[in-house]
Amino acid sequence: GDSVTQMEGPVTLSEEAFLTINCTYTATGYPSLFWYVQYPGEGLQLLLKATKADDKGSNKGFEATYRKETTSFHLEKGSVQVSDSAVYFCALSLKTSYDKVIFGPGTSLSVIP
Amino acid sequence: DAGVIQSPRHEVTEMGQEVTLRCKPISGHNSLFWYRQTMMRGLELLIYFNNNVPIDDSGMPEDRFSAKMPNASFSTLKIQPSEPRDSAVYFCASSLMTEAFFGQGTRLTVV
Repeated sequence: GDSVTQMEGPVTLSEEAFLTINCTYTATGYPSLFWYVQYPGEGLQLLLKATKADDKGSNKGFEATYRKETTSFHLEKGSVQVSDSAVYFCALSLKTSYDKVIFGPGTSLSVIP
Repeated sequence: DAGVIQSPRHEVTEMGQEVTLRCKPISGHNSLFWYRQTMMRGLELLIYFNNNVPIDDSGMPEDRFSAKMPNASFSTLKIQPSEPRDSAVYFCASSLMTEAFFGQGTRLTVV
């Protein structure tokens, strides 16, 4: 079935380090792909998205490229800050009439000064 | 728009009591989702509706859980009777064709 797999956490980085969180998916058809972020005590917020192959989503210094050939959507940021500490969820949305969104398990990121 | 609105934000109840969580989706959205989040199991999809109709409730843990969407602007998730293992944060989300927008969640504690 359709699913999303993310790298296991938690991930701990020093401030200004490079971040990569891997995400791969399995889906029938051509899904839209998303990264959501959840800060402590809050709900999930959309961070970025890509709706077709080779699209690059970007926001707040984060980027992810929709790679159809490797069914991946890895999240990257060149220089993380303490304020980026959060849980990151990769997700896909199937282009069916029901708009079902499927989430990965989430990856916890802690950035230390 | 005010976004997805959930109430209450926090709920503490005794085991065996009935609990009702409420959600108002974003106006115009036609899909609504209920999720449960715990440290042990992460984010779980409980049920989702499309145009007020339940499409997939396979994530509902057991018969103690029920969800309704009587109209496009309101949904409830009910637990009766509640148990301590139901303690979690429950999120409602809505969408229209693309990404889902989440509410702030209801933190439920069953003692």
